Amino acid sequence: SQQGEEDPQALSIQEGENATMNCSYKTSINNLQWYRQNSGRGLVHLILIRSNEREKHSGRLRVTLDTSKKSSSLLITASRAADTASYFCATDAAGRDKIIFGKGTRLHILP
Amino acid sequence: SAVISQKPSRDICQRGTSLTIQCQVDSQVTMMFWYRQQPGQSLTLIATANQGSEATYESGFVIDKFPISRPNLTFSTLTVSNMSPEDSSIYLCSVRTASNIQYFGAGTRLSVL
Repeated sequence: SQQGEEDPQALSIQEGENATMNCSYKTSINNLQWYRQNSGRGLVHLILIRSNEREKHSGRLRVTLDTSKKSSSLLITASRAADTASYFCATDAAGRDKIIFGKGTRLHILP
Repeated sequence: SAVISQKPSRDICQRGTSLTIQCQVDSQVTMMFWYRQQPGQSLTLIATANQGSEATYESGFVIDKFPISRPNLTFSTLTVSNMSPEDSSIYLCSVRTASNIQYFGAGTRLSVL
Protein backbone atom coordinates (compact mmCIF):
# COMPACT_ATOMS: atom_id res chain seq x y z
CA SER A 1 0.00 0.00 0.00
CA GLN A 2 1.14 3.55 -0.59
CA GLN A 3 2.07 5.64 2.40
CA GLY A 4 2.34 9.05 0.79
CA GLU A 5 -0.12 10.95 -1.35
CA GLU A 6 1.04 13.90 -3.42
CA ASP A 7 -1.11 16.83 -4.27
CA PRO A 8 -1.75 18.02 -6.91
CA GLN A 9 -1.47 15.09 -9.31
CA ALA A 10 -0.49 17.44 -12.10
CA LEU A 11 0.69 21.05 -12.17
CA SER A 12 1.45 23.40 -15.06
CA ILE A 13 3.09 26.75 -14.41
CA GLN A 14 4.93 29.41 -16.37
CA GLU A 15 8.70 29.41 -16.40
CA GLY A 16 10.00 31.62 -13.61
CA GLU A 17 7.07 30.98 -11.28
CA ASN A 18 7.28 28.97 -8.09
CA ALA A 19 5.91 25.42 -7.90
CA THR A 20 4.59 23.89 -4.71
CA MET A 21 3.80 20.21 -4.25
CA ASN A 22 2.39 18.61 -1.15
CA CYS A 23 2.70 15.15 0.34
CA SER A 24 0.57 13.61 3.06
CA TYR A 25 1.28 10.36 4.82
CA LYS A 26 -0.48 8.12 7.30
CA THR A 27 1.87 6.74 9.93
CA SER A 28 4.77 8.03 12.00
CA ILE A 29 8.01 8.30 10.05
CA ASN A 30 11.75 8.52 10.56
CA ASN A 31 12.52 10.34 7.32
CA LEU A 32 10.79 11.73 4.26
CA GLN A 33 12.55 11.96 0.91
CA TRP A 34 11.70 13.79 -2.28
CA TYR A 35 12.70 12.47 -5.71
CA ARG A 36 12.52 13.69 -9.30
CA GLN A 37 11.97 11.45 -12.30
CA ASN A 38 12.36 12.63 -15.88
CA SER A 39 10.38 10.81 -18.58
CA GLY A 40 10.31 7.35 -16.97
CA ARG A 41 14.03 7.29 -16.22
CA GLY A 42 15.70 6.54 -12.89
CA LEU A 43 14.89 8.57 -9.81
CA VAL A 44 17.10 11.43 -8.72
CA HIS A 45 17.27 12.03 -4.99
CA LEU A 46 16.52 15.66 -4.08
CA ILE A 47 16.26 16.04 -0.32
CA LEU A 48 15.92 13.92 2.81
CA ILE A 49 14.26 15.55 5.81
CA ARG A 50 14.25 13.85 9.18
CA SER A 51 11.26 13.67 11.48
CA ASN A 52 12.88 16.12 13.93
CA GLU A 53 13.51 18.72 11.21
CA ARG A 54 11.00 21.29 10.02
CA GLU A 55 12.66 22.77 6.96
CA LYS A 56 15.55 22.11 4.60
CA HIS A 57 16.94 23.94 1.61
CA SER A 58 18.97 22.85 -1.37
CA GLY A 59 19.55 25.44 -4.07
CA ARG A 60 16.13 26.39 -5.45
CA LEU A 61 14.41 23.66 -3.44
CA ARG A 62 12.77 24.13 -0.08
CA VAL A 63 11.17 21.26 1.82
CA THR A 64 9.04 21.59 4.92
CA LEU A 65 7.78 18.88 7.23
CA ASP A 66 4.87 19.08 9.66
CA THR A 67 4.73 15.84 11.62
CA SER A 68 1.62 16.95 13.52
CA LYS A 69 -0.27 17.14 10.23
CA LYS A 70 1.68 14.27 8.66
CA SER A 71 2.47 16.38 5.64
CA SER A 72 5.40 17.79 3.70
CA SER A 73 5.76 20.31 0.91
CA LEU A 74 8.33 20.79 -1.83
CA LEU A 75 8.78 24.30 -3.19
CA ILE A 76 10.74 24.92 -6.37
CA THR A 77 11.50 28.59 -6.82
CA ALA A 78 12.12 30.36 -10.14
CA SER A 79 11.14 27.30 -12.14
CA ARG A 80 12.95 26.35 -15.34
CA ALA A 81 12.03 24.18 -18.31
CA ALA A 82 14.43 21.53 -17.00
CA ASP A 83 12.27 21.18 -13.87
CA THR A 84 9.59 19.48 -15.97
CA ALA A 85 9.38 16.02 -14.40
CA SER A 86 7.44 13.87 -11.98
CA TYR A 87 8.11 14.44 -8.29
CA PHE A 88 7.60 11.78 -5.65
CA CYS A 89 7.70 11.77 -1.90
CA ALA A 90 8.77 8.61 -0.10
CA THR A 91 8.45 7.81 3.57
CA ASP A 92 9.86 5.15 5.81
CA ALA A 93 7.42 4.15 8.48
CA ALA A 94 9.01 4.29 11.92
CA GLY A 95 10.54 0.96 12.78
CA ARG A 96 10.60 -0.32 9.21
CA ASP A 97 13.45 -0.55 6.73
CA LYS A 98 11.59 0.04 3.49
CA ILE A 99 10.37 3.29 1.95
CA ILE A 100 7.01 3.66 0.32
CA PHE A 101 6.28 6.06 -2.52
CA GLY A 102 3.36 8.35 -3.12
CA LYS A 103 1.64 8.60 -6.48
CA GLY A 104 3.64 11.61 -7.57
CA THR A 105 3.02 15.05 -9.03
CA ARG A 106 3.62 15.65 -12.73
CA LEU A 107 5.07 19.14 -13.10
CA HIS A 108 5.10 20.86 -16.46
CA ILE A 109 6.92 24.16 -16.90
CA LEU A 110 5.51 26.22 -19.74
CA PRO A 111 7.88 28.42 -21.78
CA SER B 1 26.34 8.67 -2.34
CA ALA B 2 26.12 5.43 -4.28
CA VAL B 3 26.49 4.74 -7.99
CA ILE B 4 24.25 1.98 -9.24
CA SER B 5 24.71 0.20 -12.55
CA GLN B 6 21.69 -1.68 -13.77
CA LYS B 7 21.48 -3.79 -16.89
CA PRO B 8 20.00 -4.30 -19.31
CA SER B 9 18.60 -0.80 -19.66
CA ARG B 10 15.76 -2.13 -21.77
CA ASP B 11 14.58 -5.34 -23.34
CA ILE B 12 11.75 -6.70 -25.42
CA CYS B 13 10.81 -10.25 -24.52
CA GLN B 14 8.41 -12.90 -25.66
CA ARG B 15 5.59 -14.15 -23.49
CA GLY B 16 6.58 -17.15 -21.37
CA THR B 17 10.29 -16.37 -21.24
CA SER B 18 12.34 -15.06 -18.31
CA LEU B 19 14.65 -12.07 -17.94
CA THR B 20 17.34 -11.52 -15.33
CA ILE B 21 18.20 -7.95 -14.37
CA GLN B 22 21.52 -7.19 -12.77
CA CYS B 23 22.32 -4.47 -10.24
CA GLN B 24 25.87 -3.51 -9.28
CA VAL B 25 26.72 -0.92 -6.63
CA ASP B 26 30.05 0.86 -6.31
CA SER B 27 30.22 0.33 -2.53
CA GLN B 28 29.07 -2.21 0.02
CA VAL B 29 25.52 -1.63 1.19
CA THR B 30 23.37 -3.53 3.62
CA MET B 31 19.97 -2.60 2.27
CA MET B 32 19.11 -3.33 -1.35
CA PHE B 33 15.63 -3.21 -2.87
CA TRP B 34 13.79 -3.95 -6.09
CA TYR B 35 10.88 -1.82 -7.28
CA ARG B 36 8.46 -1.97 -10.18
CA GLN B 37 6.95 1.03 -11.90
CA GLN B 38 4.07 0.30 -14.24
CA PRO B 39 3.36 2.78 -17.04
CA GLY B 40 2.21 6.12 -15.67
CA GLN B 41 2.26 4.86 -12.10
CA SER B 42 4.35 5.28 -8.97
CA LEU B 43 6.91 2.84 -7.64
CA THR B 44 5.86 -0.35 -5.90
CA LEU B 45 8.29 -2.29 -3.75
CA ILE B 46 8.74 -5.88 -4.91
CA ALA B 47 11.17 -7.13 -2.29
CA THR B 48 14.11 -6.43 -0.06
CA ALA B 49 17.19 -8.34 -1.21
CA ASN B 50 18.95 -9.76 1.83
CA GLN B 51 22.59 -10.76 1.61
CA GLY B 52 23.09 -14.41 2.37
CA SER B 53 19.42 -15.20 2.90
CA GLU B 54 16.13 -15.29 1.07
CA ALA B 55 14.60 -12.02 -0.09
CA THR B 56 11.67 -10.52 1.78
CA TYR B 57 8.73 -10.10 -0.58
CA GLU B 58 5.90 -7.60 -0.37
CA SER B 59 2.27 -8.56 -0.56
CA GLY B 60 1.35 -9.54 -4.09
CA PHE B 61 4.85 -10.62 -5.11
CA VAL B 62 6.15 -14.19 -4.83
CA ILE B 63 9.53 -15.81 -5.14
CA ASP B 64 8.49 -18.14 -7.94
CA LYS B 65 7.64 -15.19 -10.14
CA PHE B 66 10.42 -12.81 -9.03
CA PRO B 67 13.40 -14.81 -7.75
CA ILE B 68 16.12 -12.60 -6.32
CA SER B 69 19.76 -13.31 -5.60
CA ARG B 70 22.09 -11.31 -3.38
CA PRO B 71 25.44 -13.09 -3.30
CA ASN B 72 27.35 -10.19 -1.75
CA LEU B 73 26.99 -6.61 -0.52
CA THR B 74 27.47 -4.99 -3.93
CA PHE B 75 25.42 -7.13 -6.31
CA SER B 76 21.90 -8.43 -6.80
CA THR B 77 19.76 -9.88 -9.55
CA LEU B 78 16.03 -9.91 -10.12
CA THR B 79 14.49 -12.43 -12.50
CA VAL B 80 11.07 -11.88 -14.01
CA SER B 81 9.84 -15.39 -14.75
CA ASN B 82 7.29 -16.73 -17.20
CA MET B 83 6.57 -13.23 -18.42
CA SER B 84 3.23 -11.96 -19.65
CA PRO B 85 2.35 -8.55 -21.13
CA GLU B 86 1.22 -7.46 -17.65
CA ASP B 87 4.88 -7.61 -16.57
CA SER B 88 5.74 -4.75 -18.93
CA SER B 89 7.14 -2.15 -16.56
CA ILE B 90 10.25 -0.37 -15.46
CA TYR B 91 12.17 -2.36 -12.85
CA LEU B 92 14.45 -0.38 -10.54
CA CYS B 93 17.19 -1.41 -8.19
CA SER B 94 17.71 0.73 -5.11
CA VAL B 95 20.17 0.88 -2.22
CA ARG B 96 20.13 2.64 1.11
CA THR B 97 23.30 4.21 2.39
CA ALA B 98 24.40 4.82 5.96
CA SER B 99 22.87 8.30 5.78
CA ASN B 100 19.47 6.68 5.12
CA ILE B 101 19.32 8.22 1.66
CA GLN B 102 18.02 5.74 -0.88
CA TYR B 103 19.52 5.83 -4.37
CA PHE B 104 18.17 4.30 -7.55
CA GLY B 105 19.57 2.79 -10.68
CA ALA B 106 18.49 4.06 -14.08
CA GLY B 107 16.00 1.21 -14.37
CA THR B 108 15.27 -1.58 -16.83
CA ARG B 109 12.43 -0.89 -19.23
CA LEU B 110 10.79 -4.22 -20.02
CA SER B 111 8.27 -4.80 -22.78
CA VAL B 112 6.63 -8.22 -23.07
CA LEU B 113 4.97 -9.15 -26.36
